[in-house]
Amino acid sequence: GAGVSQSPSNKVTEKGKDVELRCDPISGHTALYWYRQSLGQGLEFLIYFQGNSAPDKSGLPSDRFSAERTGGSVSTLTIQRTQQEDSAVYLCASSLIRSTYLSYNEQFFGPGTRLTVL
Amino acid sequence: GQQVMQIPQYQHVQEGEDFTTYCNSSTTLSNIQWYKQRPGGHPVFLIQLVKSGEVKKQKRLTFQFGEAKKNSSLHITATQTTDVGTYFCAGPDSGGSNYKLTFGKGTLLTVNP
Repeated sequence: GAGVSQSPSNKVTEKGKDVELRCDPISGHTALYWYRQSLGQGLEFLIYFQGNSAPDKSGLPSDRFSAERTGGSVSTLTIQRTQQEDSAVYLCASSLIRSTYLSYNEQFFGPGTRLTVL
Repeated sequence: GQQVMQIPQYQHVQEGEDFTTYCNSSTTLSNIQWYKQRPGGHPVFLIQLVKSGEVKKQKRLTFQFGEAKKNSSLHITATQTTDVGTYFCAGPDSGGSNYKLTFGKGTLLTVNP
């Protein structure tokens, strides 16, 4: 079966432009996550969707960042008025939530979108 | 907020040497996960530990979860060049959601053949 897919794989944009990054999670996975990874750095949590619950947006660095998930499947991360410090790899992950405490809820990551803001 | 710290940040070894990375949480964890990210790749799940004092092995990799469930380690015996990558630990967010993970900053392992 297909894993998590992301598009585009690379995006080069000019400062001030808006960008949209897409994530197709594994079919049936109820949880979807967005992370940002700067060169050689760890994973910075951005936002998390779980089923029909309100998303956890606590990691979004500014109001220029937003994300939506349509139909409980595909998600789009939008960055408005991009800045050079937004340059990073944006990773999407999905997870099949099995239970609260027997939580083998491993996350399956997509290949990421490398964003370069000139 | 919750912090998950990993040491060392970098480790360079000769092929055949052992390697260990350590993970410490500021809060007690219900479980801990380990991921590996190859250079240019994306993180891939390795294992999850749930029980206090748990030890699990995957071939040359040994994972331990501390008795207090606040620390964990990954030990690789006789490293190979295929072990190169960044190893991340991650624990559930202490803020309430058991599904949101806080990742450590990772340990980058390089292996000299």
